[in-house]
Amino acid sequence: GNSVTQMEGPVTLSEEAFLTINCTYTATGYPSLFWYVQYPGEGLQLLLKATKADDKGSNKGFEATYRKETTSFHLEKGSVQVSDSAVYFCALPVRGGADGLTFGKGTHLIIQP
Amino acid sequence: GAVVSQHPSWVICKSGTSVKIECRSLDFQATTMFWYRQFPKQSLMLMATSNEGSKATYEQGVEKDKFLINHASLTLSTLTVTSAHPEDSSFYICSARAATSGATYEQYFGPGTRLTVT
Repeated sequence: GNSVTQMEGPVTLSEEAFLTINCTYTATGYPSLFWYVQYPGEGLQLLLKATKADDKGSNKGFEATYRKETTSFHLEKGSVQVSDSAVYFCALPVRGGADGLTFGKGTHLIIQP
Repeated sequence: GAVVSQHPSWVICKSGTSVKIECRSLDFQATTMFWYRQFPKQSLMLMATSNEGSKATYEQGVEKDKFLINHASLTLSTLTVTSAHPEDSSFYICSARAATSGATYEQYFGPGTRLTVT
């Protein structure tokens, strides 16, 4: 099945710093790719997604580009805020598009004022 | 919109007993629901896929007789942990895919249920 490797944290940054969380994947074909965020005490929320190669997903200042050449989907944000502190998960379907998801191990992001 | 709830949010049970966890899509119909397990400080692991009106499909290594899944309606799926043991203690999370999701296959996640078996 498909798999994903994600940089592990915790990642600690100061407010307004630039953020990159690396994610690479192994997959059959070109499945949709997702970033989910889990705030303390809450369930997973979809942050952004990309459905085909070269697509850029974006939401709340976060961006990620589907790079089939490097099989990557790195998450970036130009200026992080304290409220961005959370755990971020990269994910893709276990096998095909209609399947459940396989997740990276999660990156705990801590933003300090 | 697209809210998924789980009940209970946490449960403690004695070893050997069974526990049922409910997953509901509150404002949409879900043809497919998924059950995941999350160990402390680790990622989510897909356990099974349940489609309304049919038997669940379990991932390799997941005991179907221990983790009984029922998806009797388009808004409700249940996971029953039978004869629970301490090693079944975990965080169980469900997700639901809307009947109208089309090619996006977007899933909406519940807040999770913390199970502790003593």
